[in-house]
Amino acid sequence: EAQVTQNPRYLITVTGKKLTVTCSQNMNHEYMSWYRQDPGLGLRQIYYSMNVEVTDKGDVPEGYKVSRKEKRNFPLILESPSPNQTSLYFCASSLDRVQYFGPGTRLTVT
Amino acid sequence: SQELEQSPQSLIVQEGKNLTINCTSSKTLYGLYWYKQKYGEGLIFLMMLQKGGEEKSHEKITAKLDEKKQQSSLHITASQPSHAGIYLCGADSWYTGNQFYFGTGTSLTVIP
Repeated sequence: EAQVTQNPRYLITVTGKKLTVTCSQNMNHEYMSWYRQDPGLGLRQIYYSMNVEVTDKGDVPEGYKVSRKEKRNFPLILESPSPNQTSLYFCASSLDRVQYFGPGTRLTVT
Repeated sequence: SQELEQSPQSLIVQEGKNLTINCTSSKTLYGLYWYKQKYGEGLIFLMMLQKGGEEKSHEKITAKLDEKKQQSSLHITASQPSHAGIYLCGADSWYTGNQFYFGTGTSLTVIP
């Protein structure tokens, strides 16, 4: 089944403890992206990647890192999470500019 | 930066009623995309519009892109409880390269 998977789905952590949210797609898509969704602010792009080893900042990249060493994987790294990064995170991959989304990761930073 | 404004923010309708959601862009669009999200879940692609004046339909949902490519509307005919959820418009434009933007969403409740 063609899909985008994210892990973990739910995560509660403490301020400053490094974490990684994984994203994987099995559709051989070149474009992948991370978003965060917050009430009243909608969905905002954090980082995107046009292909392996190519990543670019979206609208809200501060406090996040990404890497794209393989086509299928696009992990999101929070080196020192803070409470303002509490959010619902979505990974997406794209073919011909239509994006396919993962199920989301609900992150709480206390 | 690209801005997408959606209206209304929320909508409560009786089953069987028609409704329209609007999405207005601050810049001329390259593509306009409609997605549906069930609460707390991932987004599901509905339709993509690229050409000015273009109109597409999927079951009882019709989306249009105006001639100037700065506004789109999503129309649902004879709404059903299965239509409930959050509808988001998304866009990319010549100004933003490979970045992608979303509106803040319209929450739709359909009362049986």
